[in-house]
Amino acid sequence: QKEVEQNSGPLSVPEGAIASLNCTYSDRGSQSFFWYRQYSGKSPELIMSIYSNGDKEDGRFTAQLNKASQYVSLLIRDSQPSDSATYLCAVVNAGNNRKLIWGLGTSLAVNP
Amino acid sequence: GAGVSQSPSNKVTEKGKDVELRCDPISGHTALYWYRQRLGQGLEFLIYFQGNSAPDKSGLPSDRFSAERTGESVSTLTIQRTQQEDSAVYLCACPTSGQETQYFGPGTRLLVL
Repeated sequence: QKEVEQNSGPLSVPEGAIASLNCTYSDRGSQSFFWYRQYSGKSPELIMSIYSNGDKEDGRFTAQLNKASQYVSLLIRDSQPSDSATYLCAVVNAGNNRKLIWGLGTSLAVNP
Repeated sequence: GAGVSQSPSNKVTEKGKDVELRCDPISGHTALYWYRQRLGQGLEFLIYFQGNSAPDKSGLPSDRFSAERTGESVSTLTIQRTQQEDSAVYLCACPTSGQETQYFGPGTRLLVL
């Protein structure tokens, strides 16, 4: 079992719809969770971080964390074509070096 | 992001040659990570520096790969006797001081012919 799992997609949604991206992780002791966006040919850039169970909203983005289910998601409301990218989930492991463990990413396509 | 720079931005080399890739974080970033990303693939952890020490080198794929950091600043990733499978984007990332959030440099795109 991979430590951080994401559906590779592609996830295709129409413009204006809600895009829902999901991530599960195996380390029950993890406390810090991140969503990054990566445009083709570019470096990953941070969108959201979340540390507590529940929802965290920032503009059109909402991160949701459920530690009991070891599940973190990202919702994008009013999806725009400019949101088309690969979304990477990253989880800090509970070990000594607190290394970020990365999912392979979900490709999102927002269709005009 | 957060002022991390990498050089060169692109490197084309011939199989068997050595290459050096450089990461230059903003002063004060004590931690530094190197990743590799092959075309269409996920991020592959290579090595982590805390200060000038590398407590985790577990991701270096072979002894052809090495990295060093000096002055708690610039880091160099060296690949000896390059192979075609080394072709990838090599990314450097630094957490801001006291944070776990990693900010990435623009990467070096390496092509081994």
